[in-house]
Amino acid sequence: DQQVKQNSPSLSVQEGRISILNCDYTNSMFDYFLWYKKYPAEGPTFLISISSIKDKNEDGRFTVFLNKSAKHLSLHIVPSQPGDSAVYFCAASARGNAGGTSYGKLTFGQGTILTVHP
Amino acid sequence: DTGVSQNPRHKITKRGQNVTFRCDPISEHNRLYWYRQTLGQGPEFLTYFQNEAQLEKSRLLSDRFSAERPKGSFSTLEIQRTEQGDSAMYLCASSRDIHNEQFFGPGTRLTVL
Repeated sequence: DQQVKQNSPSLSVQEGRISILNCDYTNSMFDYFLWYKKYPAEGPTFLISISSIKDKNEDGRFTVFLNKSAKHLSLHIVPSQPGDSAVYFCAASARGNAGGTSYGKLTFGQGTILTVHP
Repeated sequence: DTGVSQNPRHKITKRGQNVTFRCDPISEHNRLYWYRQTLGQGPEFLTYFQNEAQLEKSRLLSDRFSAERPKGSFSTLEIQRTEQGDSAMYLCASSRDIHNEQFFGPGTRLTVL
C-alpha cells in the first residue's frame, strides 16, 4: 500500500528555470509533509516542510505548496541550479495512530531524480 | 560536526552471519529512528525510540532484527542470521520531541553475499 507516491521517476530542467516536483498521498491522517534531497552515498538532507494548516511555505529558492483537498503537494525550485541535481523525496507523517500511521514516523515516496543542465 | 553519525559506513558479510550497526544522534534530540532503503525506493520505517523506550516496530522488522538505545543516546541495530534480502542501506535519523524534522545520518550500506 503506497501511501505516498511520486509518479515522475525523473525530471530534467535547464539551469535558471523552474523545477516542479510533485507528490500525492492517500492517507487523510497525514498532516505534516517534508521534502528531502539525497545525493549518492549520503543520507537524505532535510529541505523544507509544511503543516496541513498552511497551503504554502517558502525558504529561499524552495517553495512547497499543499492542496489538501487533492491530497497533493509540490516543491518548486526557482531558479534551478546544477547543484540541485539529486534525488528528491517527499515524506509525510501523522499525529495519531489511526490509518496505520503514528506520530513521528515518516512515510516516503519513491523519489524523483532531478537533473539540472547548465 | 554535530550531525547524525553512523558506523560502519559499509559492511560486507556472508549469509548467516550477524551484523551490528551503530547510530549516534544529534545530542539534544530525544527521538531516534531507523529506516531501510533499497535501490529505487524511498526509505522505509523500521523502528523508533523516545529516549530509551522503543515505541514502535514495523512489521518489516522480523525476529532477526533487534534495536536498542540503552541510555537514550546512541542506538544499535543488530541483524542475526543475515539473508541476501537484508542487503540495503540502513539509515538512522533523529529529531527533537516537538519538531518533526528528522535529520539523517549518512547510512550504513549492508551487502550480504
